[in-house]
Amino acid sequence: DVKVTQSSRYLVKRTGEKVFLECVQDMDHENMFWYRQDPGLGLRLIYFSYDVKMKEKGDIPEGYSVSREKKERFSLILESASTNQTSMYLCASSWTDEQYFGPGTRLTVT
Amino acid sequence: QKEVEQNSGPLSVPEGAIASLNCTYSDRGSQSFFWYRQYSGKSPELIMFIYSNGDKEDGRFTAQLNKASQYVSLLIRDSQPSDSATYLCAEGGSTLGRLYFGRGTQLTVWP
Repeated sequence: DVKVTQSSRYLVKRTGEKVFLECVQDMDHENMFWYRQDPGLGLRLIYFSYDVKMKEKGDIPEGYSVSREKKERFSLILESASTNQTSMYLCASSWTDEQYFGPGTRLTVT
Repeated sequence: QKEVEQNSGPLSVPEGAIASLNCTYSDRGSQSFFWYRQYSGKSPELIMFIYSNGDKEDGRFTAQLNKASQYVSLLIRDSQPSDSATYLCAEGGSTLGRLYFGRGTQLTVWP
C-alpha cells in the first residue's frame, strides 16, 4: 500500500511565523504535490516537484516555497504566515497520474 | 489550463438507489480521468480511474468515459449511507503528473 505521511494533523501558528509542513512517501514516487483545500474553492495546487531539487509552481504559489532534498520528502514552507493561509494542506505523491494523498494538516494562523 | 466542471450538488439519494455523479472537461486530448472520494475531515481517496472510452466496473462503482462529449461519470449502485461523501473528479494527462480537479459533488445517501 502507498503510504504518504504528513508531519502534523493540526497546527496553530501566529501571524508572521515561519511554518514548515513536511510530507514523506514510501513508494519511491517521482512526483510530489502540495495542495490547499478551502470550502467552496476545492483543491488548489500550490507547488509540485517531479524530481529531487526540481519544483514547479502551481496555481497559487504566492506566499509559499518548497524544498525537495530527498526523493521521499517534500516540504512546504510558509515564509511569513498570514491569517489567509489558514486552511487544510494536503500532500500527494504519484509515479504517473494516480495521486495518493496524505492525511492532511489543518493549519490555523492566528 | 485544463478545466473540470462537476455538478456542485448536493446530491441526495435513498439507500439502495443508483447515485450518478457527472463531470465535464475542457481538453479534448485528455487521456486519463480519476474519481476520488473524500469523507468529511479526511483526505481524498482514489476509488476509480479510467483511460478508455466506455465503462469500467469495480464492484458497485462504474466509471463511464465519453471522449466525444467530453464527460466522465461515476455510478454508484445499491448506494449505502457509508457512500455519503464528497466525490472529486480529476483530469490527468499533463506533463509531470499534474491532475486538474473539479470542486466536488457532495453525496448524501439516506437510510
